[in-house]
Amino acid sequence: GAVVSQHPSRVICKSGTSVKIECRSLDFQATTMFWYRQFPKQSLMLMATSNEGSKATYEQGVEKDKFLINHASLTLSTLTVTSAHPEDSSFYICSADRGEREQYFGPGTRLTVT
Amino acid sequence: SQQGEEDPQALSIQEGENATMNCSYKTSINNLQWYRQNSGRGLVHLILIRSNEREKHSGRLRVTLDTSKKSSSLLITASRAADTASYFCATVANDYKLSFGAGTTVTVRA
Repeated sequence: GAVVSQHPSRVICKSGTSVKIECRSLDFQATTMFWYRQFPKQSLMLMATSNEGSKATYEQGVEKDKFLINHASLTLSTLTVTSAHPEDSSFYICSADRGEREQYFGPGTRLTVT
Repeated sequence: SQQGEEDPQALSIQEGENATMNCSYKTSINNLQWYRQNSGRGLVHLILIRSNEREKHSGRLRVTLDTSKKSSSLLITASRAADTASYFCATVANDYKLSFGAGTTVTVRA
């Protein structure tokens, strides 16, 4: 159990456009979801914490107007990268907590902005 | 924020050998976790060790934690080609957020 999916797995978009990434907990309800980004050969950096039905909490240095997070249900959180630029190209990973203080990670989404 | 530092950054070993990697951190923790990441993939949770534990085993994995030195080690015994991956430690403080180390890339040669 505790499977988390992400969609899409890869996306290429043009500079200036917006792209939405979905994170779903498939077999459990997630009270909290987390969004991370990872640059090549680097570690994961927490971007924001998303609680169902409330506003996301962003980490210092993360622009909330650029990275819109919506946690509309207990099984779905979305991250929208608005007005994407090449420097936003990265690997985005979500994780979900089903209330046991243990995070289950999705497979990641590779975003390339051209 | 990233608080864990791992060494070595990269490790290349022969199949059958043991691999050891270390993680140091700066602040007090609730627990420390180790994850594996295959290239371009998500993270797989390996093991969690609580702040009041000193050693934990899971299969071929052995994790130690020394809170006085703020350090942890992960030992993979009898390594296999399938163990080739990046390994990350992540600390959890009272806010329950994961703070990841820089990672160690392990290559197991057949």
